Amino acid sequence: DIQVTQSPSSLSASVGDRVIITCRASQSLSGYLNWYQQKPGKAPNLLIYAASTLHFGVPSRFSGSGSGTDYTLTISSLQPEDFATYYCQRSFATPRFGQGTRLEIK
Amino acid sequence: QVQLVESGGGVVQPGRSLSLSCAASGFTFRSHGIHWVRQAPGKGLEWVAVISDDGSNQYYADSVNGRFTISRDNAKNTVYLQMNSLSAEDTAMYYCAKDRYYGSGTYALDYWGPGTLVTVS
Repeated sequence: DIQVTQSPSSLSASVGDRVIITCRASQSLSGYLNWYQQKPGKAPNLLIYAASTLHFGVPSRFSGSGSGTDYTLTISSLQPEDFATYYCQRSFATPRFGQGTRLEIK
Repeated sequence: QVQLVESGGGVVQPGRSLSLSCAASGFTFRSHGIHWVRQAPGKGLEWVAVISDDGSNQYYADSVNGRFTISRDNAKNTVYLQMNSLSAEDTAMYYCAKDRYYGSGTYALDYWGPGTLVTVS
C-alpha cells in the first residue's frame, strides 16, 4: 500500500509570504496526487488535482508541482484567508490522505 | 449547484449501530461514485468507503471492513452508510463527497457535504 507523508506538520508564516508544503509517497504516484484545504469547522475543499491542475475557482496564487514520489503545494503570496490545514491525497485506487499541514499566522 | 448533505449522526453507545445518509442534488447522481471520509476530533482525514456510480462496487478501509456497509439509491439520489459494532474509535465527523474522473485514471473528491457528527460513548 502506497503511503503519503506530508511535511511540515505545521508552519507559521506571515501575510505575503511564499509557502511550500511537501508530500512524499512511498512509491511513485505517477502524478496521481490531489491537494485540499480545510478551514476549522468546515469540510475540505479541493484545490489541485493531478498534481498541478487548479480546481475551478481556486486562486492562481496556489500551484502544484511534482512527479514520481515528490510533490509540492506552493502558495505564492499568503492571504489572510489561506490560513488553514492542507492535505495531500493519492488519487488512484482508494484514497489515502497525508497527515495534514497546519498553516498558522506568525 | 452541487449539494451534498449528510444526516443521521448522533450519540450512540459502544457496540450499537447507526445509519448515515447523504442526500445529493445539482449533478447527475447516477454518474458519480460517492465516498465517505471521516475526521476524528483534532485529527486528520481518514477515508472510510466508496460506492461506484451504479452501486455494483464497494470498497472499505481496513478499519471499518466487515462492520460498515455503503449502499445507494439512485432513484432517491442518496447514499447510505450503515455502521455496526461501533466503538469509541469511530467517533468522528463523517463527510460524504462525490468523485470526478478527469481522464487518464485520475480522480478527485470535488464536492463535499458539511458533515454529520457521530459520537460513540
